[in-house]
Formats: sequence, C-alpha cells, structure tokens
Amino acid sequence: QKEVEQNSGPLSVPEGAIASLNCTYSDRGSQSFFWYRQYSGKSPELIMFIYSNGDKEDGRFTAQLNKASQYVSLLIRDSQPSDSATYLCAVNPGSGNTGKLIFGQGTTLQVKP
Amino acid sequence: DTGVSQNPRHKITKRGQNVTFRCDPISEHNRLYWYRQTLGQGPEFLTYFQNEAQLEKSRLLSDRFSAERPKGSFSTLEIQRTEQGDSAMYLCASGGTGGIYGYTFGSGTRLTVV
Repeated sequence: QKEVEQNSGPLSVPEGAIASLNCTYSDRGSQSFFWYRQYSGKSPELIMFIYSNGDKEDGRFTAQLNKASQYVSLLIRDSQPSDSATYLCAVNPGSGNTGKLIFGQGTTLQVKP
Repeated sequence: DTGVSQNPRHKITKRGQNVTFRCDPISEHNRLYWYRQTLGQGPEFLTYFQNEAQLEKSRLLSDRFSAERPKGSFSTLEIQRTEQGDSAMYLCASGGTGGIYGYTFGSGTRLTVV
C-alpha cells in the first residue's frame, strides 16, 4: 500500500463546475496535510495546508480533512481553464519534526471551456 | 529575488559522468530539502538539512549521491557515475522551522542521462 494515494485521473470538469480531488494516507500519526498545484513542466506550488479535522476555505479552494478515515480532499469551486494542472496531495508523517513530505502521484485536472 | 533558485535548469550528461546541482534557498529559511520527481509521479524525498546539518537521508539516496550545505546557506547535490535511471527533475525546497506551513520549491533541475 502506498503511503499517500491519489487517483491519477484525468478528472475532467466543465468550466464553472466544482472539481473534487481526493487523497488517502496510511500513517495514522500524520500531522499536517498539503495540496500543491503543478503545471506541466513547472515545479509544485503550495495551494493550501490543513491540520485540523473539518474544512478550511481559501477563495475558491476548500480543503477537507477526516483523520478518522485518513482522507483529505480539495474542492475547487467555479473551476477555470487556468486550474487545469496536476494536483499533488502531500502528508507530513507523524514521526519526527523534519517537515519531510510524502507526496501522492497527483491527479490531473482538466477544465474544459 | 526572494524565491528558491536552482542551477542549472537543464543538464544533459553521458552515462558514467558526474553532475552537480546547486540550490540557493530563501535567505531566512533554515530548512532545505531535496526531492526527485520522475514523469507521472509525485516528488520523492531525498534528503533534508537544518542549517548545515544533514538530518535525514532517504534510502533512495544511494552512495552515488551526496549532498552538502556548507555554512547553512546554499546546497549542492552531486551524483557520481550517473545512470539512465537518474534521469529526473531534481527539486529543492526551503522552509522555516517546523515545516507545518509547507515550503517553497525552486524551479528544479531537469537531468537527462544519455
């Protein structure tokens, strides 16, 4: 079992729709959770982080965390073609305090005009 | 420029040659990370420095790989006797203490071993 799992996609949504990206993780002691966006040929950029159960909203983005189910999700409201990218879920493992992140393989999102 | 800077952006090398990459972190960040990313995969952790101390190394970092961060400023990643399997994007990231807020990646160095 991979430590962080994501559906590779592609996930295709029409412009203006809600895109829902999901991620599960195996380490129950994981402390903090991150979503990065990566455009083709570019490096990952941080969109959001969350470390408490529940929802966290930032503009069109909402991160959701359920530690009991070991599940993290990212919702993108009013999806735009410029949101088309690969979205990487990353988890800070419970052991130590190094800031090391374990990444999933990423989900490719396609927003069609 | 206040971002993380990596050089070179691209490197093509012949199998068996040695290569060295450089990372200049954000100046106030004391943590520095190296990751490797292959096509279709997420970044994989290689190693981590806090100031000049290398505190963790992944099993992925074979004895052909070495990383340094003299004086706790810039860092170098050297790969000796490169193999075709080393072809990847090498990403550097820096962050403050704790890392709970995530960190900033540089633009990466794309290595192609021919």
